[in-house]
Amino acid sequence: AQKITQTQPGMFVQEKEAVTLDCTYDTSDPSYGLFWYKQPSSGEMIFLIYQGSYDQQNATEGRYSLNFQKARKSANLVISASQLGDSAMYFCAMREGVETGRRALTFGSGTRLQVQP
Amino acid sequence: DAGVTQSPTHLIKTRGQQVTLRCSPKSGHDTVSWYQQALGQGPQFIFQYYEEEERQRGNFPDRFSGHQFPNYSSELNVNALLLGDSALYLCASSLEVSSFYREQYFGPGTRLTVT
Repeated sequence: AQKITQTQPGMFVQEKEAVTLDCTYDTSDPSYGLFWYKQPSSGEMIFLIYQGSYDQQNATEGRYSLNFQKARKSANLVISASQLGDSAMYFCAMREGVETGRRALTFGSGTRLQVQP
Repeated sequence: DAGVTQSPTHLIKTRGQQVTLRCSPKSGHDTVSWYQQALGQGPQFIFQYYEEEERQRGNFPDRFSGHQFPNYSSELNVNALLLGDSALYLCASSLEVSSFYREQYFGPGTRLTVT
C-alpha cells in the first residue's frame, strides 16, 4: 500500500488565488511527521512546512498552511495568494516514529503546480 | 552559511561502469541521507549515515554503497551501473539531536545518466 498518496498530478491556479494540494498518508505509527517540499526545475528540494502527529494546531509558515485532518489521515497544503514563482513540483512526505529506528522520509509522487498570470 | 553541496552536477556513464557521487552537509549537520529520484517520481530513500556508519537502508541492492567521513561529508557509490540507475541523486543533511527532523536540508542533486 502507498504510504503517501498525492492524487493530483497537475494543478493550475490563477495568480493571487489560493490553491490546495492534496495529500493522504497511511501509517499505524502514532508518532510521525508530515512534510511538504517544493521542487523547482533546478531540482533542489525546498522545505516548506512541517506537521507533527501530536501537534494540536495546524502548521502555518507565511503563505503556506497545512490542513491536518488526523482522523482522515490527510495533510493538505494550502498556498494563499499564489505567485508566479510558486510554479513547481510539490511533494508531500512522511517520517514515521524515531522509536522504531526509522528515519527515512517517504515521498508521494508529487503535484505539478502551474500559476497563471 | 553554506548549504548542502553536491558534486558533480551532471554525470554521464556507460552501463557496467562505477560512479561516485559526493555530498557536503550543511554546516553543523552530522547526518547525511541519500535519495534517488527517477524522472517524474518522488525521491526514494537509499540510506542514511551517522557517525560514519550506515544507520538505515532503503530497498536498494548492494550495488549501492556509501561512506561518511569524519568531517561528515559523504559519498554514494554505485557499481555495475544499469540503465535504470539514471536519476537525480539527492543528498540531505540534518542534525541528529534534532531527532524528529523538522527540516532536512537538501542539496541541488547530481543528475546521473547511464547510456
